[in-house]
Amino acid sequence: DIQMTQSPSSLSASVGDRVTITCRASQSISSFLNWYQQKPGQAPKLLIYSASNLQSGVPSRFSGSGSGTDFTLTISSLQPEDFATYYCQQSYSTPLTFGGGTKVEIK
Amino acid sequence: QVQLVESGGGLVKPGGSLRLSCAASGFTFSDYYMSWIRQAPGKGLEWVSYITSNGGTIYYSGSVKGRFTISRDNAKNSLYLQMNSLRAEDTAIYYCVREWEVGSADAFDFWGQGTVVTVSS
Repeated sequence: DIQMTQSPSSLSASVGDRVTITCRASQSISSFLNWYQQKPGQAPKLLIYSASNLQSGVPSRFSGSGSGTDFTLTISSLQPEDFATYYCQQSYSTPLTFGGGTKVEIK
Repeated sequence: QVQLVESGGGLVKPGGSLRLSCAASGFTFSDYYMSWIRQAPGKGLEWVSYITSNGGTIYYSGSVKGRFTISRDNAKNSLYLQMNSLRAEDTAIYYCVREWEVGSADAFDFWGQGTVVTVSS
């Protein structure tokens, strides 16, 4: 199974901050990496697919990069509605696996 | 608009069974792979199973293989998860999720609101 490791597991940031979350795969997954946002009490929402492609309707302050084993989700200027938990997920092979999540909290 | 509505969750004793259903609307259900993904209380996301558009290929996570069975009825726009031999560690919110193929990759682009399964004596 491919293990996905996210860091940090949580962070505190202020509105307007630039935030970076990393995700590392235990083996190369090319660009088969997706990012999701989950707010409390809600289902996850797709933000980024195939490592760097912004899902329709997602604000342009979100961006993704990386390939192989190392990936990054960046929020260029954190907004109040961005406080949530973020998950990476590999779609390279089954079992499909998620990272443990990064909780972004208000500083 | 795309809607996925799960049902069938509830409280069940260890060793018991439940059948989850997901009613899909707003898209051509038979064109899409579908998955079940779960989230234990206060924990992260765990993929459980997926089924291809015609039901011809199915995969399970190791934690449920042999106990859970995924199926679909394209005529009824419905996805199912039969869960047998339930354990306490199966307690979770179960999400019905559409899998979107983009190029050679895929992603989970629409999620239901989930149904809660609690396994406890």
